[in-house]
Amino acid sequence: QVQLVQSGAEVKKPGASVKVSCKASGYTFTSYGISWVRQAPGQGLEWMGWISTYNGNTNYAQKLQGRVTMTTDTSASIAYMELRSLRSDDTAVYYCARGGAYIDLWGRGTLVTVSS
Amino acid sequence: EIVLTQSPGTLSLSPGERATLSCRASQSVSSSYLAWYQQKPGQAPRLLIYDASSRATGIPDRFSGSGSGTDFTLTISRLEPEDSAVYYCQQYGSSSLTFGPGTKVHIK
Repeated sequence: QVQLVQSGAEVKKPGASVKVSCKASGYTFTSYGISWVRQAPGQGLEWMGWISTYNGNTNYAQKLQGRVTMTTDTSASIAYMELRSLRSDDTAVYYCARGGAYIDLWGRGTLVTVSS
Repeated sequence: EIVLTQSPGTLSLSPGERATLSCRASQSVSSSYLAWYQQKPGQAPRLLIYDASSRATGIPDRFSGSGSGTDFTLTISRLEPEDSAVYYCQQYGSSSLTFGPGTKVHIK
């Protein structure tokens, strides 16, 4: 079954970091890039960036440059997204998704709550 | 960064009616690299249309996309109750991908 399975919900304090994982199955992991998209409560979709699963190249949204790092473990077909220096407005559902252009497969999302 | 604007913000229609959703870009979208997604409450988005007019796998033919340059349209020809959702457009013609703010479709 072609799917992306994400890690569970996280609660973090302001200033902390969070690392979300995304395990791909049912397809050749290195044939598609992985994008990360987040959605704040009741808001729209925000593209965070993309990583090539083939060579590790990344392209991050300008507003997150310096705070976000995307990596992969190709041996395990897992992608990771780490966000540092968390603020309350980083509270959102974080989706991993297949594709660096249009996105044809989405994970179920990981809720990250930033609260003191 | 290409900014996408969607209209209307909310659309309220009856089953069987035709829905026309608009997506306008702040600058021309290269090669019509525009996609449409449907998102229902509590669910991840689902790809409907890519490359402005190509339907994704398994998408009913009542969904169609058109447009080029800066103006794009998603048409739902005959609304079904299950089409109640928020619809987002997204451009991938530039290195920084962007989404529109969404159009909420309400079925009366």
